[in-house]
Amino acid sequence: AQSVTQLDSQVPVFEEAPVELRCNYSSSVSVYLFWYVQYPNQGLQLLLKYLSGSTLVKGINGFEAEFNKSQTSFHLRKPSVHISDTAEYFCAVSVVMDTGRRALTFGSGTRLQVQP
Amino acid sequence: EPEVTQTPSHQVTQMGQEVILRCVPISNHLYFYWYRQILGQKVEFLVSFYNNEISEKSEIFDDQFSVERPDGSNFTLKIRSTKLEDSAMYFCASSESLDRPAKNIQYFGAGTRLSVL
Repeated sequence: AQSVTQLDSQVPVFEEAPVELRCNYSSSVSVYLFWYVQYPNQGLQLLLKYLSGSTLVKGINGFEAEFNKSQTSFHLRKPSVHISDTAEYFCAVSVVMDTGRRALTFGSGTRLQVQP
Repeated sequence: EPEVTQTPSHQVTQMGQEVILRCVPISNHLYFYWYRQILGQKVEFLVSFYNNEISEKSEIFDDQFSVERPDGSNFTLKIRSTKLEDSAMYFCASSESLDRPAKNIQYFGAGTRLSVL
Protein backbone atom coordinates (compact mmCIF):
# COMPACT_ATOMS: atom_id res chain seq x y z
CA ALA A 1 0.00 0.00 0.00
CA GLN A 2 1.10 3.51 -0.73
CA SER A 3 2.26 5.61 2.21
CA VAL A 4 3.10 9.25 2.70
CA THR A 5 5.49 10.34 5.44
CA GLN A 6 5.73 13.84 6.80
CA LEU A 7 8.74 13.66 9.06
CA ASP A 8 8.00 16.76 11.12
CA SER A 9 4.78 17.02 13.07
CA GLN A 10 5.54 20.63 14.04
CA VAL A 11 7.83 23.25 12.59
CA PRO A 12 8.28 26.48 14.55
CA VAL A 13 9.88 29.30 12.59
CA PHE A 14 10.31 33.05 12.95
CA GLU A 15 8.58 35.46 10.60
CA GLU A 16 10.52 36.21 7.39
CA ALA A 17 12.69 33.10 7.82
CA PRO A 18 12.76 30.38 5.15
CA VAL A 19 10.99 27.10 5.77
CA GLU A 20 10.99 23.59 4.35
CA LEU A 21 8.30 21.02 5.13
CA ARG A 22 9.38 17.52 4.25
CA CYS A 23 7.35 14.83 2.51
CA ASN A 24 8.39 11.39 1.34
CA TYR A 25 6.27 8.75 -0.31
CA SER A 26 6.72 5.07 -0.98
CA SER A 27 7.82 4.35 -4.49
CA SER A 28 5.21 3.84 -7.14
CA VAL A 29 4.79 4.48 -10.81
CA SER A 30 2.64 7.32 -12.05
CA VAL A 31 2.16 9.32 -8.87
CA TYR A 32 0.55 12.70 -8.70
CA LEU A 33 1.63 14.80 -5.73
CA PHE A 34 -0.18 17.54 -3.86
CA TRP A 35 0.19 19.87 -0.92
CA TYR A 36 -2.93 21.02 0.87
CA VAL A 37 -3.13 23.67 3.58
CA GLN A 38 -5.66 23.77 6.40
CA TYR A 39 -6.00 27.09 8.21
CA PRO A 40 -7.53 27.01 11.70
CA ASN A 41 -11.19 26.02 11.61
CA GLN A 42 -11.22 25.79 7.83
CA GLY A 43 -11.21 23.06 5.20
CA LEU A 44 -8.43 21.81 2.99
CA GLN A 45 -7.19 24.18 0.30
CA LEU A 46 -5.02 23.08 -2.59
CA LEU A 47 -1.63 24.77 -2.33
CA LEU A 48 0.14 23.22 -5.33
CA LYS A 49 0.36 20.07 -7.40
CA TYR A 50 2.77 18.01 -9.45
CA LEU A 51 1.22 16.05 -12.29
CA SER A 52 4.02 15.93 -14.86
CA GLY A 53 6.65 18.11 -16.52
CA SER A 54 8.89 20.46 -14.58
CA THR A 55 9.89 19.04 -11.21
CA LEU A 56 9.74 22.46 -9.57
CA VAL A 57 6.17 23.57 -9.09
CA LYS A 58 4.94 26.88 -7.79
CA GLY A 59 1.76 27.31 -5.83
CA ILE A 60 -0.22 29.99 -4.12
CA ASN A 61 1.03 32.28 -1.36
CA GLY A 62 4.66 32.06 -2.50
CA PHE A 63 5.08 28.34 -1.83
CA GLU A 64 6.92 25.96 -4.12
CA ALA A 65 7.79 22.28 -4.08
CA GLU A 66 10.26 20.07 -5.87
CA PHE A 67 9.51 16.55 -7.04
CA ASN A 68 12.57 14.34 -6.60
CA LYS A 69 11.88 10.93 -8.08
CA SER A 70 15.16 9.33 -7.00
CA GLN A 71 14.59 10.34 -3.39
CA THR A 72 10.81 9.89 -3.59
CA SER A 73 10.35 13.28 -2.01
CA PHE A 74 8.16 16.30 -2.55
CA HIS A 75 9.35 18.90 -0.04
CA LEU A 76 7.50 22.19 0.33
CA ARG A 77 9.46 25.43 0.63
CA LYS A 78 8.93 29.13 1.13
CA PRO A 79 11.81 31.61 1.21
CA SER A 80 10.17 34.01 3.70
CA VAL A 81 7.17 33.10 5.83
CA HIS A 82 4.46 35.35 7.26
CA ILE A 83 2.42 35.06 10.42
CA SER A 84 -0.56 34.26 8.19
CA ASP A 85 1.17 31.08 6.98
CA THR A 86 0.50 29.47 10.36
CA ALA A 87 -1.53 26.39 9.47
CA GLU A 88 -1.47 22.62 9.07
CA TYR A 89 0.11 21.43 5.84
CA PHE A 90 -0.72 18.04 4.32
CA CYS A 91 1.19 16.22 1.64
CA ALA A 92 -0.93 13.87 -0.48
CA VAL A 93 -0.26 11.33 -3.19
CA SER A 94 -2.67 10.13 -5.85
CA VAL A 95 -1.92 6.57 -6.84
CA VAL A 96 -3.55 3.88 -8.94
CA MET A 97 -5.41 1.30 -6.85
CA ASP A 98 -5.81 -2.41 -7.64
CA THR A 99 -9.07 -1.55 -9.37
CA GLY A 100 -7.22 0.71 -11.76
CA ARG A 101 -8.74 3.82 -10.28
CA ARG A 102 -6.86 6.51 -8.38
CA ALA A 103 -7.12 7.30 -4.70
CA LEU A 104 -5.66 10.09 -2.58
CA THR A 105 -3.49 9.19 0.41
CA PHE A 106 -2.56 11.85 2.93
CA GLY A 107 0.40 12.30 5.21
CA SER A 108 -0.12 12.96 8.89
CA GLY A 109 0.38 16.68 8.51
CA THR A 110 2.91 19.27 9.63
CA ARG A 111 1.89 22.18 11.78
CA LEU A 112 3.75 25.32 10.74
CA GLN A 113 3.88 27.81 13.59
CA VAL A 114 5.21 31.21 12.53
CA GLN A 115 6.36 33.37 15.42
CA PRO A 116 6.91 37.15 15.35
CA GLU B 1 -14.57 30.64 -8.04
CA PRO B 2 -16.66 27.47 -7.75
CA GLU B 3 -16.35 25.63 -4.48
CA VAL B 4 -17.55 22.57 -2.64
CA THR B 5 -20.02 23.44 0.10
CA GLN B 6 -20.86 21.34 3.12
CA THR B 7 -23.69 21.58 5.63
CA PRO B 8 -23.94 21.75 8.53
CA SER B 9 -20.58 23.07 9.71
CA HIS B 10 -21.09 21.38 13.08
CA GLN B 11 -23.41 18.50 13.93
CA VAL B 12 -23.96 17.26 17.45
CA THR B 13 -25.75 13.96 17.92
CA GLN B 14 -26.39 11.29 20.51
CA MET B 15 -24.76 7.89 20.22
CA GLY B 16 -26.96 5.51 18.25
CA GLN B 17 -28.66 8.23 16.25
CA GLU B 18 -28.56 8.53 12.47
CA VAL B 19 -26.85 11.52 10.88
CA ILE B 20 -26.75 12.77 7.32
CA LEU B 21 -23.93 15.02 6.21
CA ARG B 22 -24.58 17.02 3.10
CA CYS B 23 -22.32 18.24 0.34
CA VAL B 24 -22.81 20.19 -2.87
CA PRO B 25 -19.89 19.37 -5.20
CA ILE B 26 -18.62 21.70 -7.91
CA SER B 27 -21.24 21.65 -10.64
CA ASN B 28 -19.30 20.14 -13.57
CA HIS B 29 -17.50 17.55 -11.46
CA LEU B 30 -18.33 13.89 -11.86
CA TYR B 31 -16.40 12.22 -9.05
CA PHE B 32 -17.21 12.68 -5.40
CA TYR B 33 -15.42 11.67 -2.23
CA TRP B 34 -15.75 11.60 1.53
CA TYR B 35 -12.81 11.76 3.90
CA ARG B 36 -12.65 12.02 7.66
CA GLN B 37 -10.12 13.47 10.08
CA ILE B 38 -10.24 12.40 13.69
CA LEU B 39 -8.92 15.16 15.92
CA GLY B 40 -5.12 15.22 15.82
CA GLN B 41 -4.88 12.49 13.20
CA LYS B 42 -4.37 12.34 9.46
CA VAL B 43 -7.05 12.76 6.83
CA GLU B 44 -8.39 9.32 5.86
CA PHE B 45 -10.17 8.29 2.68
CA LEU B 46 -13.65 6.85 3.16
CA VAL B 47 -15.29 6.45 -0.22
CA SER B 48 -15.39 7.64 -3.82
CA PHE B 49 -18.54 7.79 -5.93
CA TYR B 50 -19.13 7.99 -9.66
CA ASN B 51 -22.09 7.43 -11.92
CA ASN B 52 -24.38 6.77 -8.98
CA GLU B 53 -22.31 4.02 -7.51
CA ILE B 54 -19.36 3.55 -5.18
CA SER B 55 -16.02 3.37 -7.00
CA GLU B 56 -13.72 2.73 -4.07
CA LYS B 57 -14.15 2.41 -0.35
CA SER B 58 -11.77 2.00 2.54
CA GLU B 59 -11.91 -0.40 5.46
CA ILE B 60 -13.39 2.40 7.53
CA PHE B 61 -16.46 2.56 5.31
CA ASP B 62 -18.42 -0.33 6.83
CA ASP B 63 -22.13 -1.16 6.77
CA GLN B 64 -22.90 1.76 9.06
CA PHE B 65 -21.99 4.17 6.28
CA SER B 66 -23.79 4.87 3.04
CA VAL B 67 -23.58 7.52 0.35
CA GLU B 68 -26.17 8.83 -2.01
CA ARG B 69 -26.68 11.42 -4.68
CA PRO B 70 -30.40 12.04 -4.20
CA ASP B 71 -30.65 14.73 -6.85
CA GLY B 72 -28.48 16.50 -9.38
CA SER B 73 -26.60 18.60 -6.87
CA ASN B 74 -26.35 17.02 -3.42
CA PHE B 75 -24.02 14.24 -2.29
CA THR B 76 -24.72 12.83 1.16
CA LEU B 77 -22.97 10.66 3.72
CA LYS B 78 -25.23 8.79 6.13
CA ILE B 79 -24.11 7.14 9.34
CA ARG B 80 -26.90 4.83 10.50
CA SER B 81 -26.09 4.41 14.17
CA THR B 82 -23.37 6.74 15.33
CA LYS B 83 -20.67 5.65 17.75
CA LEU B 84 -18.43 7.79 19.91
CA GLU B 85 -15.50 7.00 17.65
CA ASP B 86 -17.33 8.50 14.67
CA SER B 87 -16.60 11.93 16.11
CA ALA B 88 -14.42 13.62 13.52
CA MET B 89 -14.27 16.26 10.82
CA TYR B 90 -15.81 14.93 7.63
CA PHE B 91 -14.64 16.40 4.34
CA CYS B 92 -16.37 16.15 1.00
CA ALA B 93 -14.36 16.55 -2.20
CA SER B 94 -15.04 16.47 -5.91
CA SER B 95 -13.03 16.22 -9.11
CA GLU B 96 -13.79 16.46 -12.82
CA SER B 97 -12.14 13.15 -13.61
CA LEU B 98 -10.43 10.30 -11.85
CA ASP B 99 -7.66 9.50 -14.25
CA ARG B 100 -6.75 12.42 -16.48
CA PRO B 101 -4.02 14.31 -14.61
CA ALA B 102 -5.22 17.87 -14.89
CA LYS B 103 -8.78 16.82 -14.16
CA ASN B 104 -7.87 14.56 -11.26
CA ILE B 105 -7.44 17.35 -8.73
CA GLN B 106 -9.76 17.03 -5.77
CA TYR B 107 -11.28 20.15 -4.32
CA PHE B 108 -12.39 20.01 -0.73
CA GLY B 109 -15.19 21.56 1.25
CA ALA B 110 -14.71 23.24 4.61
CA GLY B 111 -15.88 20.13 6.43
CA THR B 112 -18.57 19.13 8.91
CA ARG B 113 -17.47 18.59 12.46
CA LEU B 114 -19.45 15.67 13.87
CA SER B 115 -19.60 15.36 17.64
CA VAL B 116 -21.13 12.16 19.00
CA LEU B 117 -22.09 12.36 22.67
